[in-house]
Amino acid sequence: EPEVTQTPSHQVTQMGQEVILRCVPISNHLYFYWYRQILGQKVEFLVSFYNNEISEKSEIFDDQFSVERPDGSNFTLKIRSTKLEDSAMYFCASRTGGQETQYFGPGTRLLVL
Amino acid sequence: GESVGLHLPTLSVQEGDNSIINCAYSNSASDYFIWYKQESGKGPQFIIDIRSNMDKRQGQRVTVLLNKTVKHLSLQIAATQPGDSAVYFCAEERGDYKLSFGAGTTVTVRA
Repeated sequence: EPEVTQTPSHQVTQMGQEVILRCVPISNHLYFYWYRQILGQKVEFLVSFYNNEISEKSEIFDDQFSVERPDGSNFTLKIRSTKLEDSAMYFCASRTGGQETQYFGPGTRLLVL
Repeated sequence: GESVGLHLPTLSVQEGDNSIINCAYSNSASDYFIWYKQESGKGPQFIIDIRSNMDKRQGQRVTVLLNKTVKHLSLQIAATQPGDSAVYFCAEERGDYKLSFGAGTTVTVRA
């Protein structure tokens, strides 16, 4: 069964450093998402991406964040200058079309020191 | 503000019993609802969904009920098994296609 995959599974970085989180969505999916989950809290929407552009972003997704689909398979989230409060699980999700099921990857646990 | 929330943060259930997990939502414009299961250290796993033109949908051992009058969503798990121990999230979606998650209910199955 096709799955969303994410790398790395864990990332430790120093405050102020740049990180890139990688995702490979399910191959025939057209909509891509990033969510984050701070430890013990609910999952929060960050950004949605369709047709090679951002379709919506949350207040969390400020100028330090960017997304890219550099080729036909990868979908990346970049944090330019990490802050302590960026420590969280980051989940990638994808779906075939609007209001179809979003399938989530296993997540990347980011720890900013 | 408008949000999705769950009534109880924890639920302890005896193995073999049925579980009922509740969720209240406040946005009447939401038209698609999903239940996800999250095990420790893993991503949310789709369980079942329901659209606003339905009030009940059944899957394998799970049933979702939607009451639009009181903006209430529930997940029923029949014959709960140890593998059902996890955090369960309801999520809503409006026409903007992003998911808004509730706070989650931790289900613990007692042997």
